Order: sequence, then structure tokens, then C-alpha cells
Amino acid sequence: SQQGEEDPQALSIQEGENATMNCSYKTSINNLQWYRQNSGRGLVHLILIRSNEREKHSGRLRVTLDTSKKSSSLLITASRAADTASYFCATDGGAAGNKLTFGGGTRVLVKP
Amino acid sequence: NAGVTQTPKFQVLKTGQSMTLQCAQDMNHEYMSWYRQDPGMGLRLIHYSVGAGITDQGEVPNGYNVSRSTTEDFPLRLLSAAPSQTSVYFCASRGTSGFNEQFFGPGTRLTVL
Repeated sequence: SQQGEEDPQALSIQEGENATMNCSYKTSINNLQWYRQNSGRGLVHLILIRSNEREKHSGRLRVTLDTSKKSSSLLITASRAADTASYFCATDGGAAGNKLTFGGGTRVLVKP
Repeated sequence: NAGVTQTPKFQVLKTGQSMTLQCAQDMNHEYMSWYRQDPGMGLRLIHYSVGAGITDQGEVPNGYNVSRSTTEDFPLRLLSAAPSQTSVYFCASRGTSGFNEQFFGPGTRLTVL
């Protein structure tokens, strides 16, 4: 079963607009990570937020984490056509081993 | 650095055939994992390894074997391919810090007829 569930499943916006996607999870986490996947490619790490952090920025990306609600959001500001991709959240429960649990992803289409 | 490499990129098998998906990394990462991604879905963990000689099962291990004889290589073996194993397979690695990001290979697209 998937720990993280993204919402919405798909998002279509115009270039220059902001894109917001949400991730909900079920169990306690050590950290939460967001990844991007371009069509036919592997996943690329975007940003990691630790369980004791509430907000984090990286360039045009802003991630929030609410551990009381077990949810996170990813905001992409001033979107570009190159941001067209699928975005996945992944939770790290912190146990030994390399266990990231991924959600189903949000497909983002940025129209020029 | 080449990062994480996977071979082959594409493979077609017949039901019952066996094969090995190769994965190698040149970043001296201790942790390596195999995931499968089915259409429209996220990744599910098949097997993982925390170092040479140490492997463990993930969420969907049935039908797959792994071994880790070196830090660099982590092959995934399909013992007797089934159509349900048609998927895209990704290998990933990361360092030993608990907060390290995972680095993914480009994937192997497998079709089982």
C-alpha cells in the first residue's frame, strides 16, 4: 500500500502561474521528500523536509509540512513549460534500510 | 561520475524466462534499492540493501531475487517471468546519512508476453 497520496492526480496550468500539489501520509515520518519525473526518465530529487521543519524553500519551490495533519504541499511558483512532469512525494519512516514509500504522483502540464 | 546506471534499457521476455537487470553506481553509496513503477502509479519497493552482503525485502519482493557482492553492483533477478511483472524498474542509491537524497537510474522497461 502507498504511504503518500498526492492530490490532485493531474494539474494543467498556464506558464507563469503557480502550481500547488498536496501529499497526505498515514504513519509517522523522519522526513518527506519530493521528486520530479520527466516522461520516460528516472526520478530526480527536488527537496527534502525533516519532520521538525515546517517550511523549506529551494529556488522556485516551496514545501510545507504539517505533521499534525500528516500532510505536505509543494508549490512551484512562476511555472515554466520545462516544469511539465510528474511529481511524487516520498516518506522516510527513519527505520534502518533505504525505505522510501512513494505516493501515486501528480501529473503537471504547463502550457506555454 | 556516471551516477546510477542500469542495463538493459528495454527488454521483452516470454512467460517463464529468467533474466537479470543490472544496476551499478560509482558514488560509493552503501544503500541501494530496486523499485517498480506501473502505469500511472508511484514506485513500489522490491528489495533493498544496506551494504555489501546485506539485502532485505521491500513491499513487493515475490518473484525477484537480489544479491550484493560489491558496493557498486546490485543486480535484480527475475526467476520465472510473468506478465504481472511487466513494468518499469528503477534502481536507486544513497549515502549513509539518514537524510540523504536518493539517486535514481534511468530505468529498465520490461515487457513480459
